[in-house]
Amino acid sequence: AQSVTQLGSHVSVSEGALVLLRCNYSSSVPPYLFWYVQYPNQGLQLLLKYTSAATLVKGINGFEAEFKKSETSFHLTKPSAHMSDAAEYFCAVRETGFQKLVFGTGTRLLVSP
Amino acid sequence: EAGVTQFPSHSVIEKGQTVTLRCDPISGHDNLYWYRRVMGKEIKFLLHFVKESKQDESGMPNNRFLAERTGGTYSTLKVQPAELEDSGVYFCASSQDVGGTQYFGPGTRLTVL
Repeated sequence: AQSVTQLGSHVSVSEGALVLLRCNYSSSVPPYLFWYVQYPNQGLQLLLKYTSAATLVKGINGFEAEFKKSETSFHLTKPSAHMSDAAEYFCAVRETGFQKLVFGTGTRLLVSP
Repeated sequence: EAGVTQFPSHSVIEKGQTVTLRCDPISGHDNLYWYRRVMGKEIKFLLHFVKESKQDESGMPNNRFLAERTGGTYSTLKVQPAELEDSGVYFCASSQDVGGTQYFGPGTRLTVL
């Protein structure tokens, strides 16, 4: 069965520092990959998605993610963290031919001044 | 354009009671999904409607859960009778097309005492 692993339930960075949130998936066929973010008291918002068009995907709010087939990874990065980036981030996959999303357990990003 | 809305935002009930959650998808979206996040674990798929038809209900945990989508518009998810392990956040999502981006609502936090 398809699975997603997010390393680190909590990641702490200082404002201005690089943000790196890790996501690995298990699939024999490259799936569709997504990053969603949940800000406090809000719903899930799509940050970016990979649909096989380009391996480096740019999303909203300065985030980007790179699909690496050899590593089955789709890590999320942002060059410089902002206080407003503090939220919980979820990596998800969807296999071709299926509609359901399979999520990782989420990573809470903490940003300190 | 209004996003996905869910009602109520919070519900606290006692074990054995019945609760009905409602989801209004984005107008024109034929595809509606229910997901659940229990106890800070991963968000898990429950089921998928295409219009009023259940396309995939493989994630429904047991027969205490009943989802309906009369007329292919809003959907309800009824839990009867509720058990302690049903506590969690129930998310609804919708997409315009099968395989399209899923847009999530803010979720309903259900607490069963």
